[in-house]
Amino acid sequence: QVQLQQSGPGLVKPSQTLSLTCAISGDSVSSNSAAWNWIRQSPSRGLEWLGRTYYRSKWYYDYVVSVKSRITINPDISKNQFSLHLNSVTPEDTAVYYCARSIDDNGMDVWGQGTTVTVSS
Amino acid sequence: DIQMTQSPSSLSASVGDRVTITCRASQRTNNYLNWYQQRSGKAPKLLIYAASSLQSGVPSRFSGSGSETDFTLTITSLQPEDFATYYCEQSYTTPHTFGQGTKLDI
Repeated sequence: QVQLQQSGPGLVKPSQTLSLTCAISGDSVSSNSAAWNWIRQSPSRGLEWLGRTYYRSKWYYDYVVSVKSRITINPDISKNQFSLHLNSVTPEDTAVYYCARSIDDNGMDVWGQGTTVTVSS
Repeated sequence: DIQMTQSPSSLSASVGDRVTITCRASQRTNNYLNWYQQRSGKAPKLLIYAASSLQSGVPSRFSGSGSETDFTLTITSLQPEDFATYYCEQSYTTPHTFGQGTKLDI
């Protein structure tokens, strides 16, 4: 049974970097069929897909344009996890952040528990 | 980006009813269209992928149909646990995009 366990702070100061980690059990971050996604949800923006990483003989990264200059998603093979880093945050980045797995672009079938992140001084 | 528009935004129904939620994409999605259920305070749950394929473990009262840009989620014989918010998502091109949600309540 595949599970994703999120960790990271729930409070980040404006202009700082939001960093979250998603630990994978029951699958591999290097899987040749899975992609590893980050999504956020807020009342004002709804569900917003932020980006993903996946391995197909090499690592690939896709990011939504609205945060592309500020976001990095990194796989960590040694720990079998992946991370989200969003820098220069503002209160508009306040949201519930989720990690999720997708297989062959057929929907996100496994989700983390969600992390509520508030950007405030 | 592909814009996803769901209707209705909210829907009132009763246990045992049949309900239909629609999702329209601004461009073709090649049937890379997925449906999720989200209960309050929980992560979304995948119900339907590839427009009409039922995710493992999801009850058969949920079904999806449609093609190209117009899709439908149907729930037959509503159960109490089905009262939740439903989202469509296209996974054909990046960025993947979601509809604004349909809240189903009593």
